[in-house]
Amino acid sequence: GENVEQHPSTLSVQEGDSAVIKCTYSDSASNYFPWYKQELGKRPQLIIDIRSNVGEKKDQRIAVTLNKTAKHFSLHITETQPEDSAVYFCAASEGGADGLTFGKGTHLIIQP
Amino acid sequence: SQTIHQWPATLVQPVGSPLSLECTVEGTSNPNLYWYRQAAGRGLQLLFYSVGIGQISSEVPQNLSASRPQDRQFILSSKKLLLSDSGFYLCAWTAVRAGVYTGELFFGEGSRLTVL
Repeated sequence: GENVEQHPSTLSVQEGDSAVIKCTYSDSASNYFPWYKQELGKRPQLIIDIRSNVGEKKDQRIAVTLNKTAKHFSLHITETQPEDSAVYFCAASEGGADGLTFGKGTHLIIQP
Repeated sequence: SQTIHQWPATLVQPVGSPLSLECTVEGTSNPNLYWYRQAAGRGLQLLFYSVGIGQISSEVPQNLSASRPQDRQFILSSKKLLLSDSGFYLCAWTAVRAGVYTGELFFGEGSRLTVL
């Protein structure tokens, strides 16, 4: 089955700086790679996703890049703000009924 | 638009007691439904998923069971809770369009279970 590794487990950045979270996956058949943001005590919310026919996707301050050859994808957050503080999860899927395989999460801390 | 609800939001149960968590989806038909568990400070573990009424696939052998009595209803149960069952339980759904899973997973608000 799919295995998703996520790094780092904790990331602390100064407000206004950029943050990068990286994930690798094992199943070359995976073709869908979403990122979720989970605030304390809340449900995970989809913030951006990318499919394997695209190398990069951007939505305002967040972007995701995908390298299918190397089997890794990354989340980039620019001009970080206090409200970006949360746990971020990457995930991968090959499109089967068993849904997404998640990474273990990254706790992003934005320092004022 | 589609919405997903699960309840109860919080519960505290003694060891050995039964459990029933319920989840319903509105605004869509024939969704795939999922139960995930999140232990404190940990990642998301898939417990069960269902592609249709009465069809349940288990990902992890455990003390829990799931049922799907109606198209948009998914229930997580246990006959006797263990301490290790404590956690944040999340129901989720994904749309199926023309027989293809879209992949996008949408979560309910979650149920926080504490077993004492």
